Amino acid sequence: AQSVTQLGSHVSVSEGALVLLRCNYSSSVPPYLFWYVQYPNQGLQLLLKYTTGATLVKGINGFEAEFKKSETSFHLTKPSAHMSDAAEYFCAVSATGNTPLVFGKGTRLSVIA
Amino acid sequence: SAVISQKPSRDICQRGTSLTIQCQVDSQVTMMFWYRQQPGQSLTLIATANQGSEATYESGFVIDKFPISRPNLTFSTLTVSNMSPEDSSIYLCSATPGRAEAFFGQGTRLTVV
Repeated sequence: AQSVTQLGSHVSVSEGALVLLRCNYSSSVPPYLFWYVQYPNQGLQLLLKYTTGATLVKGINGFEAEFKKSETSFHLTKPSAHMSDAAEYFCAVSATGNTPLVFGKGTRLSVIA
Repeated sequence: SAVISQKPSRDICQRGTSLTIQCQVDSQVTMMFWYRQQPGQSLTLIATANQGSEATYESGFVIDKFPISRPNLTFSTLTVSNMSPEDSSIYLCSATPGRAEAFFGQGTRLTVV
């Protein structure tokens, strides 16, 4: 079975500050890991994914995440927060490319001017 | 990539009635997935829909309540039957057209009154 834990249901940062959203996973097989963003009243948009290969993954909008197998973590970072980054962020895991995703509970990011 | 069109985008329904949500993918996919996102919550998998076979439901979801059709490789429907206010949620369909990346529709925001 797979599971995802997102630490912090709400994170608040100042504009220009570092964004760090934490995600830990549990998986009995090498995982596929994802971060999605959901803006109000919209669907989910993929930020980035890790399948195999390089453990530092770069995504859209300046976000990146690092897969750390020893820590079973896949934390999402962005060096400088923008107001437009305010949204709900979901970490997700799957066993293969064709299995359904298991989502974390989500982290709401607020950006303060 | 894939574009998933989902409709309706929102609806307000009377309790006891049923609503059918449609999901159209712009490419052929083996499996499609239906998720529910209750207010302020994360996404929970309802069922997996393979073309040509019955959908596979997750624990807590039953076919009589959430019948699913999958008539071809680009289309699926989810019906929410005999609705109650507890069914008020966002319902999302998803597909993974290869390459370990799940795409989502914009969601159907359902309110049951």
